[in-house]
Amino acid sequence: EDQVTQSPEALRLQEGESSSLNCSYTVSGLRGLFWYRQDPGKGPEFLFTLYSAGEEKEKERLKATLTKKESFLHITAPKPEDSATYLCAVQAWGSSNTGKLIFGQGTTLQVKP
Amino acid sequence: DTGVSQNPRHKITKRGQNVTFRCDPISEHNRLYWYRQTLGQGPEFLTYFQNEAQLEKSRLLSDRFSAERPKGSFSTLEIQRTEQGDSAMYLCASSQKTGDEQYFGPGTRLTVT
Repeated sequence: EDQVTQSPEALRLQEGESSSLNCSYTVSGLRGLFWYRQDPGKGPEFLFTLYSAGEEKEKERLKATLTKKESFLHITAPKPEDSATYLCAVQAWGSSNTGKLIFGQGTTLQVKP
Repeated sequence: DTGVSQNPRHKITKRGQNVTFRCDPISEHNRLYWYRQTLGQGPEFLTYFQNEAQLEKSRLLSDRFSAERPKGSFSTLEIQRTEQGDSAMYLCASSQKTGDEQYFGPGTRLTVT
């Protein structure tokens, strides 16, 4: 069964304190791994897609990396506005080929000034 | 490009009542997804449309749930005889191709009393 596990569940950082969020996945065949940001009461906002091991994507203070078993979201010198829940999701190759996303439970990040 | 829109944003209903939600995807996107998200969890896949055809339904979608996408444009999700366990955020997402990133709407928050 395809599965995604994120850790830690919650993370508190001081402004400027860099850290990483982990996403471990088990999937029959990885089509793509997606990172989203979600603010309270809102829908997820797309950040990155990674397709193959070794791939990296960057956007401002965020950098996503991918291996065959996990992905990391590195946050460099975070600011309070980076506070949100970060969701990881996988899309698997399969007979249905619908592209549905399988999400982890998310990591809630709080950055204190 | 106005993004994915959902209506209503909030719905409070009494147990046993029927409710209907609407999703308007990004105009050029022919793939549409419904997800459900409960507090502290990641979104869970409910159903998928390619144009007007409903191609996959999750086991989470009981007989009380029905979704349509007439003419391949907007979609509706109806829940009949609501139960307290149906209380959740219902999210709609769309994409241009399978494998592409999915763009989410703001969600409809359902509370069943």
